[in-house]
Amino acid sequence: DTAVSQTPKYLVTQMGNDKSIKCEQNLGHDTMYWYKQDSKKFLKIMFSYNNKELIINETVPNRFSPKSPDKAHLNLHINSLELGDSAVYFCASSTDRGLVYGYTFGSGTRLTVV
Amino acid sequence: TQLLEQSPQFLSIQEGENLTVYCNSSSVFSSLQWYRQEPGEGPVLLVTVVTGGEVKKLKRLTFQFGDARKDSSLHITAAQTGDTGLYLCAGAPGSARQLTFGSGTQLTVLP
Repeated sequence: DTAVSQTPKYLVTQMGNDKSIKCEQNLGHDTMYWYKQDSKKFLKIMFSYNNKELIINETVPNRFSPKSPDKAHLNLHINSLELGDSAVYFCASSTDRGLVYGYTFGSGTRLTVV
Repeated sequence: TQLLEQSPQFLSIQEGENLTVYCNSSSVFSSLQWYRQEPGEGPVLLVTVVTGGEVKKLKRLTFQFGDARKDSSLHITAAQTGDTGLYLCAGAPGSARQLTFGSGTQLTVLP
């Protein structure tokens, strides 16, 4: 199946820990993204990345860092986790070409920091 | 500051009724997209509109992009329980491809 897959689905961890969320897409897309969805269901861009450019939302703490080993993968690493980091994190991908495009999202990772 | 405002925030209707969801902004978008999200899943793309005044139909769903490319609406005819979900509009300002999402409309269709 062509898709964006992210793991794990659920992640419960203690404050201060470091964790990673993995994301892979087999759609041949050029650009990948990380979004954070808060408790009010608002989706906010964190990063976008293709092989040319990393765009970081200025509001994202530098404890968050994207790591891309290749075009099909964009992992999210989080250092020194805080309670406020609890949210659902979505990976997405899209093509670089054309105006009529859309994002394909993964099914999300629910992060709970205790 | 919310770039894209959706209304209503919550909508509960009976099966068979019609409804319209609105997405408004003061900014111009090169393209505007609508997604539906179900619990425990990621948003799924429904449609992309790029031309001012454009109307697209997807079965019982009709999407319209405003003439000035600042707003959009989603109309559902004869809603079904399967239409229940969180509807999100998203826009790409200018030539950027990073999407800004609206505040969402949680639709519940009752049997």
